[in-house]
Amino acid sequence: DAKTTQPPSMDCAEGRAANLPCNHSTISGNEYVYWYRQIHSQGPQYIIHGLKNNETNEMASLIITEDRKSSTLILPHATLRDTAVYYCIVRPYAGNNRKLIWGLGTSLAVNP
Amino acid sequence: SAVISQKPSRDICQRGTSLTIQCQVDSQVTMMFWYRQQPGQSLTLIATANQGSEATYESGFVIDKFPISRPNLTFSTLTVSNMSPEDSSIYLCSVVQGAAYEQYFGPGTRLTVT
Repeated sequence: DAKTTQPPSMDCAEGRAANLPCNHSTISGNEYVYWYRQIHSQGPQYIIHGLKNNETNEMASLIITEDRKSSTLILPHATLRDTAVYYCIVRPYAGNNRKLIWGLGTSLAVNP
Repeated sequence: SAVISQKPSRDICQRGTSLTIQCQVDSQVTMMFWYRQQPGQSLTLIATANQGSEATYESGFVIDKFPISRPNLTFSTLTVSNMSPEDSSIYLCSVVQGAAYEQYFGPGTRLTVT
């Protein structure tokens, strides 16, 4: 079973920030939070990952709470091309158990 | 990031036949994964394909139904055998690469069994 909980769907206006929440209350100390997205009819795409510090790359920002029980993926200026299903996944950073266990994710609709 | 291609991109097959899906990566990778995504569902791991050894199958998936080959570090095949309509899914090839163990996916093969 997936170790994360996400809202099934969200809407966002084009040009505004999209904030996608994720709960992972049972996360272990050696587990990282990874975010992926899947645009319709394509394979999933890696976005970002983090352990306990906030992270930012060219695609998004990841905010992890101090207790690490939840996180938020931020798309600062959403575009129509960001419409996709977003998956939040926790897994050990290293070691043989690197399987990703996928939940149903959040279906983000960016509206013009 | 790894660039992954899959063939075929889609196919419509008859019940009882088999289909082999190819996965080609543009760089050498140790671990390759095969996933299934049924309509409206999330991704389910079928097996891990390691070069030089037999694939490791997840619970609910068996080698007779989903034989996998991994002849080298850039290529793998998944065969869906004796297909039934329940096998209609998107099949995805994936690899792990990079310092952060990011996982990269191919575009998928959309299989419809009639």
